[in-house]
Amino acid sequence: EVVLTQSPATLSLSPGERATLSCRASQSVGRYLAWYQHKPGQGPRLLIYDASNRATGVPARFSGSGSGTDFTLTISSLEPEDFAIYYCQQRSNWPPLTFGGGTKVDIK
Amino acid sequence: QVRLVESGGGVVQPGKSLRLSCAASGFTFRHNAIHWVRQAPGKGLEWLAIIWYDGSEKYYADSVKGRFTISRDNSNNVAFLQMNSLTVEDTAVYYCARDYLTTATTGGYLDYWGQGTLVIVSS
Repeated sequence: EVVLTQSPATLSLSPGERATLSCRASQSVGRYLAWYQHKPGQGPRLLIYDASNRATGVPARFSGSGSGTDFTLTISSLEPEDFAIYYCQQRSNWPPLTFGGGTKVDIK
Repeated sequence: QVRLVESGGGVVQPGKSLRLSCAASGFTFRHNAIHWVRQAPGKGLEWLAIIWYDGSEKYYADSVKGRFTISRDNSNNVAFLQMNSLTVEDTAVYYCARDYLTTATTGGYLDYWGQGTLVIVSS
């Protein structure tokens, strides 16, 4: 099973700042990695798939990069609605699909 | 628009069973695989199961294999998760989600999710 480790656990930033979230895989997943945004009371939202492709309707301030074992989600300038928990997920070696533990982006 | 609505959650005693439903609308249901994912209180997301678009294949996480069964009814645009032998560790919000590929036997990204249904296992 591929283990995904996200860092940091919490990121405290102000609106307008840049957010950089990390996801590291226990073995290579190629580019088969997605990022999701999760807000309380809602289902998660797919943001990025295949490491760098934005899902339908996702604003351009969200970007993904990386391959192999190291991946990054960048939010170029935080909007108030971006404060949430972010998860990475791999589909390289499944089942099972696996998720990282999450990074909470909260308001400083 | 694509919509997934889970139902069937509630409070259940350890050892008992529960069946969750996932009603789909806004897309051709028979074209997409469906996943179930859960989130225990204070924890992250845990993938549980997938059923192919035509129901021909099903896969499970080890944590639920042999206890949970995924199924679907393409005539009525609904998917199910039958949960047996429930334990307190199964307490979570349960989500159904659509796989992003159509009529595929690969996939593995979840592009639309429901709001979730809460299952509490407690004596």
